[in-house]
Amino acid sequence: GQQLNQSPQSMFIQEGEDVSMNCTSSSIFNTWLWYKQEPGEGPVLLIALYKAGELTSNGRLTAQFGITRKDSFLNISASIPSDVGIYFCAGSIVTDSWGKLQFGAGTQVVVTP
Amino acid sequence: DGGITQSPKYLFRKEGQNVTLSCEQNLNHDAMYWYRQDPGQGLRLIYYSQIVNDFQKGDIAEGYSVSREKKESFPLTVTSAQKNPTAFYLCASADNGNQPQHFGDGTRLSIL
Repeated sequence: GQQLNQSPQSMFIQEGEDVSMNCTSSSIFNTWLWYKQEPGEGPVLLIALYKAGELTSNGRLTAQFGITRKDSFLNISASIPSDVGIYFCAGSIVTDSWGKLQFGAGTQVVVTP
Repeated sequence: DGGITQSPKYLFRKEGQNVTLSCEQNLNHDAMYWYRQDPGQGLRLIYYSQIVNDFQKGDIAEGYSVSREKKESFPLTVTSAQKNPTAFYLCASADNGNQPQHFGDGTRLSIL
């Protein structure tokens, strides 16, 4: 089956630092999504990517769809305390006009003042 | 407000008991999904539905059942056959299978 590896597992950073995380897949994806989840809540969609090479920003967040279509990264610039949470990547392959998402295990981000 | 509502927030199950988790959406989405989340793992797909009166098994469907009698509702039943039901359950919906999924706030199920 498909495997989606997300790294790092966790990051402890100081406020103001930049954060980078990535996901790699053994298969080609048509779509990459990045979500953030805070404790006790559901994941919230941050960025959606649909084309190889696409670079998309959402405020201090920037994500890219890798050229090989097997990877994606998410950057957070100038981190602030509210960036704390678990960030998940998710990819999908469209088969039979239906795409099922595969999720990474998440990157736990902790921001210290 | 438009969104996905899951209830209850917390649920406790006794041995041998079936319990049903509610998921309602007012986004007019055709597709709905149920995921299970365990600590340190990604979300795993239990069941999904592309349209009313249709649903398909996901990767870990054993011990679970669903129905999709109305577009806005996709309840999940955790049956007594599910031997390790303690987890955080997330419901999601999307316009269709090719659009990003949006999640509810989850139900945490524990065993008494």
